[in-house]
Amino acid sequence: DGGITQSPKYLFRKEGQNVTLSCEQNLNHDAMYWYRQDPGQGLRLIYYSQIVNDFQKGDIAEGYSVSREKKESFPLTVTSAQKNPTAFYLCASSHRERNEQFFGPGTRLTVL
Amino acid sequence: AQSVAQPEDQVNVAEGNPLTVKCTYSVSGNPYLFWYVQYPNRGLQFLLKYITGDNLVKGSYGFEAEFNKSQTSFHLKKPSALVSDSALYFCAVSFNTDKLIFGTGTRLQVFP
Repeated sequence: DGGITQSPKYLFRKEGQNVTLSCEQNLNHDAMYWYRQDPGQGLRLIYYSQIVNDFQKGDIAEGYSVSREKKESFPLTVTSAQKNPTAFYLCASSHRERNEQFFGPGTRLTVL
Repeated sequence: AQSVAQPEDQVNVAEGNPLTVKCTYSVSGNPYLFWYVQYPNRGLQFLLKYITGDNLVKGSYGFEAEFNKSQTSFHLKKPSALVSDSALYFCAVSFNTDKLIFGTGTRLQVFP
């Protein structure tokens, strides 16, 4: 899983609570990404950031928020507005000119 | 619109036989193409990529992929499958951006 860490590995949340998923990389990559993975649907992009203090919405940003205050960190907050948050969440990073993305080990979020 | 299709949800092959996992794409211009592998409850691992040059790309763990521009395909191949190759495989495409579009994945099952 390279130099990308995600924590926690498993996360349980009650309905109505916000939770924050951590993603840290030591690869000196400029770009970072958050994906959601559901069975049979592949990976869907939530948010991405190409530079510190800047980020863009992906295909399914509703109910999520992010920040990019440091190059190595890109935390994702799953808010209570996300209707179906139970999923496997993957963080990735890339050196912009090379395009291939390197993934963290993932966080499995379950809403109780 | 840019898209990636993996037409087979599952591919079954006997150990020692050649394997092919199919991928087709719909992208205008010159795409960057990628293959990733995912083991259970893990992040994705980069296998190989095509950007330009030789249409046959060699990657990790003995895998290779052939870029066919006329058929807009990028099939993943291996001459002799191993039981340990059993995993979920994703094709992805990028058109000169930092974003990747992923297929829905193909589960490869290699039987002893």
